[in-house]
Amino acid sequence: DAGITQSPRHKVTETGTPVTLRCHQTENHRYMYWYRQDPGHGLRLIHYSYGVKDTDKGEVSDGYSVSRSKTEDFLLTLESATSSQTSVYFCAISEDGNYGYTFGSGTRLTVV
Amino acid sequence: AQSVTQLDSQVPVFEEAPVELRCNYSSSVSVYLFWYVQYPNQGLQLLLKYLSGSTLVKGINGFEAEFNKSQTSFHLRKPSVHISDTAEYFCAVTSTASKLTFGTGTRLQVTL
Repeated sequence: DAGITQSPRHKVTETGTPVTLRCHQTENHRYMYWYRQDPGHGLRLIHYSYGVKDTDKGEVSDGYSVSRSKTEDFLLTLESATSSQTSVYFCAISEDGNYGYTFGSGTRLTVV
Repeated sequence: AQSVTQLDSQVPVFEEAPVELRCNYSSSVSVYLFWYVQYPNQGLQLLLKYLSGSTLVKGINGFEAEFNKSQTSFHLRKPSVHISDTAEYFCAVTSTASKLTFGTGTRLQVTL
């Protein structure tokens, strides 16, 4: 999607290793979000940010941490990856938090 | 707390037939409502949104949705579907908490 990119697009990692996913935006939007998508669960919020260095937990935050040192970058870290974290991860941005999000293309993470 | 229920996990329909995808929400405050579409191996794209005003909302690709406050519903409709409408559709809700809550999705399968 224009204005938001996720990297990597695909990753396979081993159980117990740390993994960092990156979300980069060029829209200067205040809000950034990390969701995971799993069959039967839809999208569930992991963490979100409402400004540089301002972050908060979502409904499935255990095992994940985030950082936002610049407006344009929002990093999601799995401190010690587990098989239950195999999923598709989506980043989203929003100018004001209420009027709809723009989503990235997703990162497919497989933990073996 | 807010939540969204999408009543049908799959909806099969023939091309050129009408379709309705159902969405019910619960929230203790005023809400903003959204429908997103996800084509295979892609991110989510905003179809339409209800923020205030007219309860009938028109979106892209010929879709529309009606906000019904008394029934806490926001059903998505299209009078005549096309093969290219085959995708997964997600209903989402937010209040002023700056966090979108998604339903589990409805897979629309359009066949000839």
